[in-house]
Amino acid sequence: AQTVTQSQPEMSVQEAETVTLSCTYDTSESDYYLFWYKQPPSRQMILVIRQEAYKQQNATENRFSVNFQKAAKSFSLKISDSQLGDAAMYFCAYRGAGGTSYGKLTFGQGTILTVHP
Amino acid sequence: EAGVAQSPRYKIIEKRQSVAFWCNPISGHATLYWYQQILGQGPKLLIQFQNNGVVDDSQLPKDRFSAERLKGVDSTLKIQPAKLEDSAVYLCASSSPRLAGEGWQFFGPGTRLTVL
Repeated sequence: AQTVTQSQPEMSVQEAETVTLSCTYDTSESDYYLFWYKQPPSRQMILVIRQEAYKQQNATENRFSVNFQKAAKSFSLKISDSQLGDAAMYFCAYRGAGGTSYGKLTFGQGTILTVHP
Repeated sequence: EAGVAQSPRYKIIEKRQSVAFWCNPISGHATLYWYQQILGQGPKLLIQFQNNGVVDDSQLPKDRFSAERLKGVDSTLKIQPAKLEDSAVYLCASSSPRLAGEGWQFFGPGTRLTVL
């Protein structure tokens, strides 16, 4: 079974600074997707960024970028120029590309990000 | 494009009572998911539908939880009877590789259930 681990229960950053959230995962599959979701107090899960395992290039979306290390099974999220609106719970998630895990998202425990003005 | 709709947003019940949640996915999305998110944890998949058929319900407590997706569109998740440990947020999500691309999953606002 796939597992996702986020070892940082809480992180904090000053506004305009950079912060990195960590995520590791375990899988025996060779093809899969990795995601970072943001969940503000409203509970709405918002997709931040997505990475396909077969792509070596790290995904970027504006101020958000990832460091995907497939061999190490590591998938960290870097938030640059942090803004107050980035404060939320962040979840790392895994989805297999086929077989029994197809479609199903496996989530980590989450990291609460606080942004200080 | 309308997002995933869920109702109610909040529900408070006594233990041993029954409750039902409703989800309307994004139009045209064939796959629908129900997740349970206990406070302070990541969501856990309860059941996955492909059109009106069940793909995965391995983590659904079938002695008390049931779900259906009639006509492959709306879905209802029911708990009967509820236990204290069922207090959680129930999230509905939908996806469509054909319409939204592979790997994208869209979530509704969730229903917060409190069992007293």
